Amino acid sequence: DTAVSQTPKYLVTQMGNDKSIKCEQNLGHDTMYWYKQDSKKFLKIMFSYNNKELIINETVPNRFSPKSPDKAHLNLHINSLELGDSAVYFCASTQRGGTEAFFGQGTRLTVV
Amino acid sequence: AQRVTQPEKLLSVFKGAPVELKCNYSYSGSPELFWYVQYSRQRLQLLLRHISRESIKGFTADLNKGETSFHLKKPFAQEEDSAMYYCALQSGNTPLVFGKGTRLSVIA
Repeated sequence: DTAVSQTPKYLVTQMGNDKSIKCEQNLGHDTMYWYKQDSKKFLKIMFSYNNKELIINETVPNRFSPKSPDKAHLNLHINSLELGDSAVYFCASTQRGGTEAFFGQGTRLTVV
Repeated sequence: AQRVTQPEKLLSVFKGAPVELKCNYSYSGSPELFWYVQYSRQRLQLLLRHISRESIKGFTADLNKGETSFHLKKPFAQEEDSAMYYCALQSGNTPLVFGKGTRLSVIA
């Protein structure tokens, strides 16, 4: 019954690898987001998807690419992972014009 | 540009003491302001929003447009209030913009 779910919860990988993080929401929301939480706990928007259209990309390297097969999913694919990519990545969703964002439990990515 | 400032990275208070977590914002229009909370090993969740003017878990926050502030207050802190607190701003259909967060530690 989890509203927003992410997999995996933990991801440890070597530099240079390509990895994906999946996100699914069962709330019927039409807007989904990816946030990055760094080691200092600072939350920064990475992507926003509305009706399969990318509407915001906040200075994120092009090694990161969001993929949305349908309205309920927004996956994050990362190419050529770097040490600095280590962080917790949160997926979230809202209804367009809505005021509450629902978050996934986060994916802790560690690049070694 | 939208900006949310939380000046305190860490706030430690004794149990039963009053708590005030500061938040100031920068936005020229009429934003919506929120407080989100992240308890240890849990996901980020909404605590309260300014438009509802409600008290959640004893916390309240008043939007002061003159001072562009949305401080979070609770008269008597409890140990279970220990968490990361994020002030956030939203305008129109843009994503939430978060402050850097304040870690509240309530000491028994």
